[in-house]
Amino acid sequence: ELQLVESGGGLVKPGGSLRLSCAASGFTFSDYTMNWVRQAPGQGLEWVSSISGGSDFIYYADSLKGRFTISRDNAKNSLYLEINSLRDEDTAVYYCARGSAYDYDHWGQGTLVTVSS
Amino acid sequence: SSELTQDPAVSVALGQTVRITCQGDSLRSYYASWYQQKPGQAPVLVIDHRTNRPSGIPDRFSGSNSGYTASLTITGAQAEDEADYHCASRDSSGNYVVFGGGTKLTV
Repeated sequence: ELQLVESGGGLVKPGGSLRLSCAASGFTFSDYTMNWVRQAPGQGLEWVSSISGGSDFIYYADSLKGRFTISRDNAKNSLYLEINSLRDEDTAVYYCARGSAYDYDHWGQGTLVTVSS
Repeated sequence: SSELTQDPAVSVALGQTVRITCQGDSLRSYYASWYQQKPGQAPVLVIDHRTNRPSGIPDRFSGSNSGYTASLTITGAQAEDEADYHCASRDSSGNYVVFGGGTKLTV
């Protein structure tokens, strides 16, 4: 069964850092582009970043460049998102999702990041 | 423009047909995909950018694209279709993904 399981969220003070993880199983991880999408409380979905199967192509939302770093370890079937200089507005559920283009055919259950002093 | 615009809320009577729309400049170049999201759950792809339904999605869901507008149609809406629906597309540059603000469907 295909599964995506995020972890690493929690309560962080403004200015802090966090590393989110997404453990993948049930498919050949290295064959797929992976993505991070976030959703602030009561808001819509916001695409954060994408990384190709071999990490050759990496893209970030313009508004997030410089503070967010996406990476993957195909040997460990894992996707990561490092977030630095956290701000109140980064409070959201962060989802990892499988898919290229913008057809994300499988999503994890999400991990909640709360930025608050 | 890299924005996709959706109506915030739409309602439909049980068993009737409803169309949810998504508008944006990028839709002239890139078709939209559609996601259903129920409260407390992750989004689910219901229509991909080729207007195909993934396995397990009922055939009452269909998608179409015309000019600057993409549409998701539910023919014979069921109670379980009550959810938020989000459209997504590439932005005008083709390198980034943009989501619409979402439409809350009440059945």
